[in-house]
Amino acid sequence: DADVTQTPRNRITKTGKRIMLECSQTKGHDRMYWYRQDPGLGLRLIYYSFDVKDINKGEISDGYSVSRQAQAKFSLSLESAIPNQTALYFCATSDGMGQGLYEQYFGPGTRLTVT
Amino acid sequence: AQKVTQAQTEISVVEKEDVTLDCVYETRDTTYYLFWYKQPPSGELVFLIRRNSFDEQNEISGRYSWNFQKSTSSFNFTITASQVVDSAVYFCALKTSGTYKYIFGTGTRLKVLA
Repeated sequence: DADVTQTPRNRITKTGKRIMLECSQTKGHDRMYWYRQDPGLGLRLIYYSFDVKDINKGEISDGYSVSRQAQAKFSLSLESAIPNQTALYFCATSDGMGQGLYEQYFGPGTRLTVT
Repeated sequence: AQKVTQAQTEISVVEKEDVTLDCVYETRDTTYYLFWYKQPPSGELVFLIRRNSFDEQNEISGRYSWNFQKSTSSFNFTITASQVVDSAVYFCALKTSGTYKYIFGTGTRLKVLA
């Protein structure tokens, strides 16, 4: 089974609808992230969380909110979806225990289309 | 400012050719970490390698090799004897010590033609 899972994998929704993307991990990592990927722009950070009580905005958090329900679960919500939120969304985890093992492990991605 | 530049937007090679993907980074920090990720057509992001700023040894893993040169702020990735399965978008990323942020390049799309 994959270490980082995302649901749904694909979603088409209409403008103004509320959408939740879910992420679960079995890697035991304390740090979790949400990114969006747009063609030609690489990955941009939306939110990150270093533990259940520590949630922080990334560079493009407007229009998004998150919830860290448990160490293993991190959800991203679009309160009122708009077409320019159409993108590929990735959840990622990393180990923040200070051993220099900072590589991120990514989920399979959620392709979201807002019409 | 921190930045990662992957100047090659797209590269096409014929199978069995060697290919090098360039990555140039900018940071003023002395402790940092560099990464390469692969994104195949299926879309997932796969971690390939991490390199710490204090370890300039080059690394080889099968057909993959990485050349880290602090003098030129580069962390280039070479695929030897490329295969069609190497076709993907490759991302280089930078993280400095003490920050949460990972800076990703815009990626290089590699097409390996049979």
